[in-house]
Amino acid sequence: SQQGEEDPQALSIQEGENATMNCSYKTSINNLQWYRQNSGRGLVHLILIRSNEREKHSGRLRVTLDTSKKSSSLLITASRAADTASYFCATDVGTNAGKSTFGDGTTLTVKP
Amino acid sequence: DAGITQSPRHKVTETGTPVTLRCHQTENHRYMYWYRQDPGHGLRLIHYSYGVKDTDKGEVSDGYSVSRSKTEDFLLTLESATSSQTSVYFCASETGQGEAFFGQGTRLTVV
Repeated sequence: SQQGEEDPQALSIQEGENATMNCSYKTSINNLQWYRQNSGRGLVHLILIRSNEREKHSGRLRVTLDTSKKSSSLLITASRAADTASYFCATDVGTNAGKSTFGDGTTLTVKP
Repeated sequence: DAGITQSPRHKVTETGTPVTLRCHQTENHRYMYWYRQDPGHGLRLIHYSYGVKDTDKGEVSDGYSVSRSKTEDFLLTLESATSSQTSVYFCASETGQGEAFFGQGTRLTVV
């Protein structure tokens, strides 16, 4: 069974626009992480947010976490063509990030 | 890519043959993981290791075994490959502080 589910499955925007992806999960978590995967490549860690945090920023990325709604969002501001990738949320209930449960991802296409 | 490499990167094998995939990390990370990723889906955990000779099963462990005789190496073996094991396999390692680093993946085709 899947813990994290991303929404939408696919998103297409113009360069310069903002992109928002959402992740919902079912059970209480310790951490939630967002990863990026370029086509044919491995996953790259973007941000980890802990259950006692509500918002984190990293460059053009902003992640929010609402534990009452069991949801998280990833906002990419001023998107670039290079942001084209699949984005996954991963939730873990223990202390090991690698044991996280991954959703099926959101495929983001940024058109130049 | 944090010093984690997988080999081979691509492999085609026949049904019923054993296959071993290798993951090597140079970060001295305690924890290592093997995942598989099927088209249009996220990663599913096969097996993981929390130290040398300490391994445990993940969500989809049937038909797979692992070994970790050294901190830096984590091997995944498909005991008798089946077509349902055609997938992309990813290895990851982490320190236990929250961030996992992934290899580039091994594309395995079982014919």
